[in-house]
Amino acid sequence: KAGVTQTPRYLIKTRGQQVTLSCSPISGHRSVSWYQQTPGQGLQFLFEYFSETQRNKGNFPGRFSGRQFSNSRSEMNVSTLELGDSALYLCASSPPSSTQYFGPGTRLTVL
Amino acid sequence: GNSVTQMEGPVTLSEEAFLTINCTYTATGYPSLFWYVQYPGEGLQLLLKATKADDKGSNKGFEATYRKETTSFHLEKGSVQVSDSAVYFCALSDRDETSGSRLTFGEGTQLTVNP
Repeated sequence: KAGVTQTPRYLIKTRGQQVTLSCSPISGHRSVSWYQQTPGQGLQFLFEYFSETQRNKGNFPGRFSGRQFSNSRSEMNVSTLELGDSALYLCASSPPSSTQYFGPGTRLTVL
Repeated sequence: GNSVTQMEGPVTLSEEAFLTINCTYTATGYPSLFWYVQYPGEGLQLLLKATKADDKGSNKGFEATYRKETTSFHLEKGSVQVSDSAVYFCALSDRDETSGSRLTFGEGTQLTVNP
């Protein structure tokens, strides 16, 4: 089976812009989770989607949002970008309440 | 809330040395426990897992035992190789089908193995 894929791999934006990241889960996995990784805060949970519904949400401002499509692919959107949003954004897919498998991540740089 | 604490790094070892990375956790229920590894420029790879007390997870020579009495899940390897150089993350997941399976991670431990 193909692994979790994330696009794009690298992204450079300026403050105030918005960005959309995409994640395609492993075939058959219906749960997709997103995490933010920064040197200062480590790995932090953003949200989880299952069957097109947000099932769980971390402690991030409303500028961070996501959605999931009927084919389980997921997108994450960050509006009004801030310098502190520079991070590696990781997507993980899993069967319900099971082991999560991660993609390679999208490296976002905000200038 | 849940939390995971890992030993502070970085850790530098010589090839064939014994490795231990300590991990302790705080959780309200009966979580599943994981070790993930991250190589430079890559995402996280699952190394091993354990889903209940006294379970031992193992993979590629790495082992960790789920100790409920000490709330620990220490990672060990008998003989490390240069290729084991990476960042290692301990994580836990509540097993709740309604609230999902969010992972709570430790800070990560950078391991460098010198030839």
